[in-house]
Amino acid sequence: AQSVTQLGSHVSVSEGALVLLRCNYSSSVPPYLFWYVQYPNQGLQLLLKYTSAATLVKGINGFEAEFKKSETSFHLTKPSAHMSDAAEYFCAVSDGTRVNNDMRFGAGTRLTVKP
Amino acid sequence: DGGITQSPKYLFRKEGQNVTLSCEQNLNHDAMYWYRQDPGQGLRLIYYSQIVNDFQKGDIAEGYSVSREKKESFPLTVTSAQKNPTAFYLCASSLAGPQFFGPGTRLTVL
Repeated sequence: AQSVTQLGSHVSVSEGALVLLRCNYSSSVPPYLFWYVQYPNQGLQLLLKYTSAATLVKGINGFEAEFKKSETSFHLTKPSAHMSDAAEYFCAVSDGTRVNNDMRFGAGTRLTVKP
Repeated sequence: DGGITQSPKYLFRKEGQNVTLSCEQNLNHDAMYWYRQDPGQGLRLIYYSQIVNDFQKGDIAEGYSVSREKKESFPLTVTSAQKNPTAFYLCASSLAGPQFFGPGTRLTVL
């Protein structure tokens, strides 16, 4: 069974500071990993995905994540926070197969950006 | 434009009533999903469907029902058996890999 744990339900940073949102996964097969962003009262938007190619994955809006198998982690970073980055972020894992695309989501991390 | 639409955006229901939430996609995706989102609990899977005329229960299927008569459509009915239906409901679809989400329906029971 797969699962993800997001460390920290709330993260607060100042505008221009580094954003680091933590995600650890558990999977019995090589995982596919994803980060999504959700703005209030909206659906989830895919930020980036890891599908066993390069371990450093670049996504939209200046975000990137690094897959570290030895640490079972897939942390999300952005060098300089912008006010528009304030949202909730979800890490997710699946086994990536078409037959059993059963994605598991973390509980989410709410990012606040202070001016 | 390709995408996933959900309607209505807001829905109010009296206790004891069944309501149906609509989900339509024009992405030609095989798989579709329904999630429930409550504050602080992330997303929980209600039902999913991998092909037309087939669907599987997720983690919290009790009090819900679905149908998949067309590839493009996957409506969710919240029945009166669902004891705490007030939540944000999200529909998603996928071909393989990431799921793509609709804008959601917020259901409130009065």
